[in-house]
Parts: sequence; C-alpha cells; structure tokens
Amino acid sequence: QSALTQPASVSGSPGQSITISCTGTSSDVGSYNLVSWYQQHPGKAPKLMIYEGSKRPSGVSNRFSGSKSGNTASLTISGLQAEDEADYYCCSYAGSSTVFGGGTKLTVL
Amino acid sequence: QVQLQESGPGLVKPSQTLSLTCTVSGGSISSGDYYWSWIRQPPGKGLEWIGYIYYSGSTYYNPSLKSRVTISVDTSKNQFSLKLSSVTAADTAVYYCASYIWQFDYWGQGTLVTVSS
Repeated sequence: QSALTQPASVSGSPGQSITISCTGTSSDVGSYNLVSWYQQHPGKAPKLMIYEGSKRPSGVSNRFSGSKSGNTASLTISGLQAEDEADYYCCSYAGSSTVFGGGTKLTVL
Repeated sequence: QVQLQESGPGLVKPSQTLSLTCTVSGGSISSGDYYWSWIRQPPGKGLEWIGYIYYSGSTYYNPSLKSRVTISVDTSKNQFSLKLSSVTAADTAVYYCASYIWQFDYWGQGTLVTVSS
C-alpha cells in the first residue's frame, strides 16, 4: 500500500485558482469514486473539504471543487483567499484499507 | 454533531505499548453509522491511516502496522481504543481518532505521543 502522490507545494495569488493533483493506482483512486480531501492549518486537526470525489460537506465554500480522471484526482480552489493557506491531503478508499497522499502545502502569495 | 476526544499517556518508553482511548459524544458508536478510526501524523510529516473498527468488532488495519496494532471498542462506554506494541522513536506522532464512512467526517483534536526513554 503506497501513499498517493501529491506535489509538495503549490502557490497562487489572491483571487487566482490553483489545482492540486493526487495520483494513485487502479487499486485505489482508479477503482473507487471515494476520494476525499482535507485541509489542515498548523496545529489543528484536518478538516474534510471534499468527499466522494466532488461533494462538499455543509459549510464548505463552493470555491472548493473536486474531480477525477483515471487514477488521478484533483482539488481546485478558485478565488484564492489568505485563509486558504494550509496543507491539503487527499485520501482514497483502497478496498478494506485507506491511503493518504503525502500532502501539499498551499502558499497564498 | 459527533465529537471525539483522545486520551492517554503523552510519553511512552521504547519497546513498550502505546495505549490511547477515544471517547465519542453526540452520537452512539453502536448506531452503525460509522467506522471508528485512528490516524497519526509524525511531527512535520503527513497523515498515516492506522486502522478502523466497526461497532460489531470488525477491524481493518494498515498492512504496514498490522503486526503491532490492536483496535478495540467498548460500546458501553462509547469508546474505542488503540494499542501499538513495540514502539520506537518512529512512532512519535500526533494521534487522531476520527469517524469514517468512506471519508473522515469528524476528528478529535489529536494527542501528541512521544516515544523516548
């Protein structure tokens, strides 16, 4: 069971859009529409932002959206705001187990 | 709204067993609505799924930790627990408990466990 692959860092200016990729295999991301994304600010617990690939929990801004193509899932944040600066983790069901990505640090310039 | 709270020793000696408990409030573990999970995060590093348990006692573990991990549930106390044996410094991490049903909806605040003599 290998970790999903995410870029270590991404950055963008306020108002811009960024996309974070999450690459897995046909045993996890590619086989199930069960990718979730988490936002984590320093010293805080992760917060669910996207589930089942593209659904937003109640209270999460519609600036956050998710998608999937083949073995790669993506998180897009539009209209970047300073408060979006955080670490982001993807996660996928992998048949009786669960695997996280290595995390991506988003810097808002 | 479900709330989770981790508790247990913050310092464990090498080769000993790490033991943590997660207390669930605002919902019943026995409802069957969720699996109950443990996740850890070494300082400055990413998240690692440890395993989860259903109220019936069915367990699923990370293959890389399976030989050292035991997760159990006490429905009478609305708690579930983690035991990790033969710990080393590499097991130093913030340990989170969370509810899971294809995604981790609710999380505890996390508790730092340091492995050191």
